[in-house]
Order: sequence, then C-alpha cells, then structure tokens
Amino acid sequence: DAGVTQSPTHLIKTRGQQVTLRCSPKSGHDTVSWYQQALGQGPQFIFQYYEEEERQRGNFPDRFSGHQFPNYSSELNVNALLLGDSALYLCASSVRGGTLHFGNGTRLTVT
Amino acid sequence: EDQVTQSPEALRLQEGESSSLNCSYTVSGLRGLFWYRQDPGKGPEFLFTLYSAGEEKEKERLKATITKKESFLHITAPKPEDSATYLCAVQARQGAQKLVFGQGTRLTINP
Repeated sequence: DAGVTQSPTHLIKTRGQQVTLRCSPKSGHDTVSWYQQALGQGPQFIFQYYEEEERQRGNFPDRFSGHQFPNYSSELNVNALLLGDSALYLCASSVRGGTLHFGNGTRLTVT
Repeated sequence: EDQVTQSPEALRLQEGESSSLNCSYTVSGLRGLFWYRQDPGKGPEFLFTLYSAGEEKEKERLKATITKKESFLHITAPKPEDSATYLCAVQARQGAQKLVFGQGTRLTINP
C-alpha cells in the first residue's frame, strides 16, 4: 500500500521563475493539504483541498496556488519565486476529518 | 491565534537515559493534539493523537500525556534509533483540518 508520494524530490529554481510540485495521496484518502517547512522550523499550513476545492488557506500570498484533480492528486504552484521560498514542501493526505499522513516532501532551492 | 511552543529545542541523552519533551499550546477549542516524528530528509511520521486532558497513549518506549495547557512525550530507556525531531501540533475544533505545529525538539541518543 503506497503512502503519500511527492515529485520531484529535489528542485533548483532561479528567482522569478515558477514551479509546480505534485502529490499523490495515500490510497483511500480524499483530502490533500500542503505545508511549507523552513530549515529548523515546524511545518506551516499553506492550504487544503477537498472535492477539488480549496477549503482553508494559511497566511501565504496569492503567488501560492493549488489544484486537486478528480483522482484526488494535487499540485502546488508557486509563481515569481523569491529566495525565501526555499524550503521543504510537504503534502499530507487524509480522509475527511482523519489523521494527516505526510509524504517525504520536495526540497525547493531558489537561487 | 492558535500557538504551539516546544521545549527544549535540542536534547542529548545517553542510551537508556529517560526524559520528557514538552509541548505548550493555546488553541480556541481543541479538536486534537498530535505528535509526529521526523527523520532528516523525511516527512513527519504520525505517532499519537490526544483529544482531552488526562488522556495517555503509549507505543513502545514512548508515552504521550496531555493537560489543558501542555502535552508531554515521555521517552523511557531510549535507544539510538529513537534519535529524530519530534513535532507537536494542535488542530482546532472550528474550521478545516489545519495543523499548527511547534518548532520541534531535536533528540539525539548517544550509544
């Protein structure tokens, strides 16, 4: 039983570029959440998707956007990258109201 | 605003030396308090959920307890493989499934 899978595992981008990160939820899960984890910090909530709609959003600018597909997989898009966007981006899946299970993340470096 | 503070930031123990990690929290109506373990370069791995003061959960050498303001993760006779960062998070009763994390405690067990 595959857990939460994220791609790519590592990514290097230049300031001003755009990036798309992908997430496949654990089998049977219908809800996907995205978190940003800076080095040495706890994860920070970006947003959550359920039934292909954004249900809740954290304190992140509109440069961060997402999408959920009918098969429950999800994408996180970040436009106009800043150096401060360098972080580990974590995807977590769950059944609605259930425990969040995390993938191993995508390490994004912005130069 | 929901908030989680973990202490200490880092802890070094000898193998077999028991100790406790602290998680202080404020939340507008607690739905659940979560403990996760995170290994370097990996995503958080779920350990426990606690729902109300007085509840306890155990798993191998770990025991989690909770009061109305704090949670503790007790580690009994730890082994080197228990070395990891331990994250505490709260989920409020209102709204969606957003988790608010602390910054984590980095635990090192020396053989």
